[in-house]
Amino acid sequence: QVQLQESGPGLVKPSETLSLTCTVSGGSISSDSISNYYWSWIRQPAGKGLEWIGHFYTSGSTNYNPSLKSRVTMSVDTSKNQFSLKLSSVTAADTAVYYCARSSQHLAPIDYWGPGTLVTVSS
Amino acid sequence: DIVMTQSPDSLAVSLGERATINCKSSQSVLYSSNNKNYLGWYQQKPGQPPKLLISWASTRESGVPDRFSGSGSGTDFTLTVSSLQADDVAVYYCQQYYSTPYTFGQGTKLEIK
Repeated sequence: QVQLQESGPGLVKPSETLSLTCTVSGGSISSDSISNYYWSWIRQPAGKGLEWIGHFYTSGSTNYNPSLKSRVTMSVDTSKNQFSLKLSSVTAADTAVYYCARSSQHLAPIDYWGPGTLVTVSS
Repeated sequence: DIVMTQSPDSLAVSLGERATINCKSSQSVLYSSNNKNYLGWYQQKPGQPPKLLISWASTRESGVPDRFSGSGSGTDFTLTVSSLQADDVAVYYCQQYYSTPYTFGQGTKLEIK
């Protein structure tokens, strides 16, 4: 059973870069058995709906939401079974619970989610 | 981007009664090549991540009670809870994965009357 866990600072100052890591357990990001999975980041402001930030494939292919594309970078560290999100030039509008998640393939539902981590942007 | 619109925004139903949530997409999410609708339904309880209930518009995920069912095709979809239980109180979201960026409906809050 794959499990995902987000980690990172809970408070980020405006104009700085938000950095989060997702640790995958119960399976390897780069193993043959899960090489076809897509790894996503999704966020949810308090009391509001869900926004897909983007996803990447273990081969290095990425796909970002155009609304955030200029500020987003996703990467993977297969040696640590982790993948990461960086969101630059943050404002208060980026305050949200951030989820890491998995899809079985491109254009597929999101079947595993991390518990989420709250990131607040404030000085 | 494909816009997903759910109705109603909130819904109160008596225990044991039927609950129906609608979802409409701004363009079809049906791939003609495989006749599959790229539409999922999620349940989110307070303080928890969303949980996938229904994929491909009508395929119930493993372990999901059979009182949950999904229907529809093209641009119009429905999630039905046939007999509401107290544990079903949650916010429900539809999501299209027909094209990126994936988009979600605004959510429907389901409560007990």
